[in-house]
Parts: sequence; C-alpha cells; structure tokens
Amino acid sequence: DQQVKQNSPSLSVQEGRISILNCDYTNSMFDYFLWYKKYPAEGPTFLISISSIKDKNEDGRFTVFLNKSAKHLSLHIVPSQPGDSAVYFCAASVNSGGSNYKLTFGKGTLLTVNP
Amino acid sequence: NAGVMQNPRHLVRRRGQEARLRCSPVKGHSHVYWYRQLPEEGLKFMVYLQKENIIDESGMPKERFSAEFPKEGPSILRIQQVVRGDSAAYFCASSPLLQETQYFGPGTRLLVL
Repeated sequence: DQQVKQNSPSLSVQEGRISILNCDYTNSMFDYFLWYKKYPAEGPTFLISISSIKDKNEDGRFTVFLNKSAKHLSLHIVPSQPGDSAVYFCAASVNSGGSNYKLTFGKGTLLTVNP
Repeated sequence: NAGVMQNPRHLVRRRGQEARLRCSPVKGHSHVYWYRQLPEEGLKFMVYLQKENIIDESGMPKERFSAEFPKEGPSILRIQQVVRGDSAAYFCASSPLLQETQYFGPGTRLLVL
C-alpha cells in the first residue's frame, strides 16, 4: 500500500520555465511533508518542507503548496535551470506521536530541464 | 565539512554470504536512520538508532537483518545469508536532534549474485 504517490515518473521542461512536481498522499495522519532532490549515485538532499498548519512555503526558486483537503502537495521551481535536473522525491511523516523520524517516500519524479 | 559517509559504495555478494554496510554520521549527530531503496521504488524506512540503542526497527525484515550504532565507530547494517531480493541501494541518514532534518549519505549499492 503506497501512502505517498508521485504519479509522474518523469517531467521535461525548458530552461527558464516553471517546473511543477506533484505528490498525493493517502494517510491523513501525515502532518509534515518534505521534498528531496537526488542526483545519480548520490544520496537525497533536503530541499524544502512544509507543516500541515501551512498551505505554502517558499525558499528562493522553490515553493511548496499543500492542499490538505485534497491530500495533495506540489513543488514549483521557478525559473527552472539545467542544474535542477534530478530525481525529486516527495516524503511525509507524522510529526506528532514521537515517530516523525519515519519518512515515507514516493517513488520519485525525474525532472529534466532542457537548455 | 564531512557529511554522512557510507562505505563501501558498491558491494557484491553471492547468495548466502554476509553483507556489512557502514555509516558514519555527520560529526555531532547522534541519530542515525537506515533506508532501503529497491529498484523502481522510493526509499523505505528500516531502522532508527541512537548511540548504543535501537529505537525503532519496525521497518527491518525480522530475519537476517540487524543494525547497531556503537558508542565508538560507525553504525553497521548487517545482512546475513543474503538473497537476490536484498539487492538494493541502502541509504543512511543522520540528524543532530530527533525532529531535525535528516541528512543522507551517498548510499551503498548491494548486488547479490
């Protein structure tokens, strides 16, 4: 049972345009969400996170939007750069109850930014 | 400025052998987590350790897998009598405190022949 779903295995965008990566979750207990970026042969690198008490968090070119009623979040990258080409993982955890360390990951979306 | 270090980066074992994966957390981090990524899958939580203590091993297979984080030295994930289904990338992460961001190492890619 996959609790965090990234339904698009890949996404291709032009440099300078917006990249939108989507993520859906099924577990209503999740209250903390993260995006990680991963280059080949490296470990995931933390990008940005959002708590369920917010619906938006912004950090430079990266913005994460959370729609709790739809159990959906998205990562926007504006403007996209070739160096953003990587696999992006959506992850979620239950921040309360003492088990927030247990991250549940989606399968990832491969973003390719074309020059 | 050393991040999480894992070795070996690649490990080849034959069925029935033992695999030992090592993880050195970021200096000063006392919380270590192990995740496994099977081909075409996302990372899956295996175990959470603090120094000399296993806090949560709910994601670990009940047999053949064990983990430790001794007072001195790296954390070790040990897989006994490996099978082909154990072939995966194993990632270690660390954090300074429980509710802090987890920093991941580059992973160990285990191939079981």
